[in-house]
Amino acid sequence: AQSVAQPEDQVNVAEGNPLTVKCTYSVSGNPYLFWYVQYPNRGLQFLLKYITGDNLVKGSYGFEAEFNKSQTSFHLKKPSALVSDSALYFCAVRPGGGSYIPTFGRGTSLIVHP
Amino acid sequence: EADIYQTPRYLVIGTGKKITLECSQTMGHDKMYWYQQDPGMELHLIHYSYGVNSTEKGDLSSESTVSRIRTEHFPLTLESARPSHTSQYLCASSDHGLATAGDTQYFGPGTRLTVL
Repeated sequence: AQSVAQPEDQVNVAEGNPLTVKCTYSVSGNPYLFWYVQYPNRGLQFLLKYITGDNLVKGSYGFEAEFNKSQTSFHLKKPSALVSDSALYFCAVRPGGGSYIPTFGRGTSLIVHP
Repeated sequence: EADIYQTPRYLVIGTGKKITLECSQTMGHDKMYWYQQDPGMELHLIHYSYGVNSTEKGDLSSESTVSRIRTEHFPLTLESARPSHTSQYLCASSDHGLATAGDTQYFGPGTRLTVL
């Protein structure tokens, strides 16, 4: 069975500082990994994904994530946080073959302080 | 913005009423999903569909039912609403298609349901 862990319920960072939102996963075979963001009273929006290739994936709004196979991690990063980045972030994984149903993490609330 | 729509956005209804939450997408995606999410909390998959006339129950036991008669339409029905059904319901779609798609999910804005 596949699973995703987001170990931090909340991450606090000052505006202008780098941010990291952590995600580790467990899946059979090669993983497809995703990050989504949810703003208040909205649905989820796709940020970026890793399918294959370069371990560093760049996505929307200046976010990037690094796939680390040995550590089974896919941490979300941004070099300089903005107050407008404050939102709920979800990591998701599905196996590269077979079931197409992704498993989502519990979500991490990112709060960027002015 | 993804072309996936949900109506109504907000619904307040009394116990025992039958309700249908609408979800439509114009992207021609074959797969569609319904999630239940309490505010600021994790997503729970309640139903999904691989295509027309295909529906499956998700991980979370739900008293709702779904249908998929047309590719673009995936309504969710509660035969008798209860206060425990109060939550946000998110609809999503994805297209496996080519390997590069990777099954990115596109989400609607959600329906916030309150059952009194």
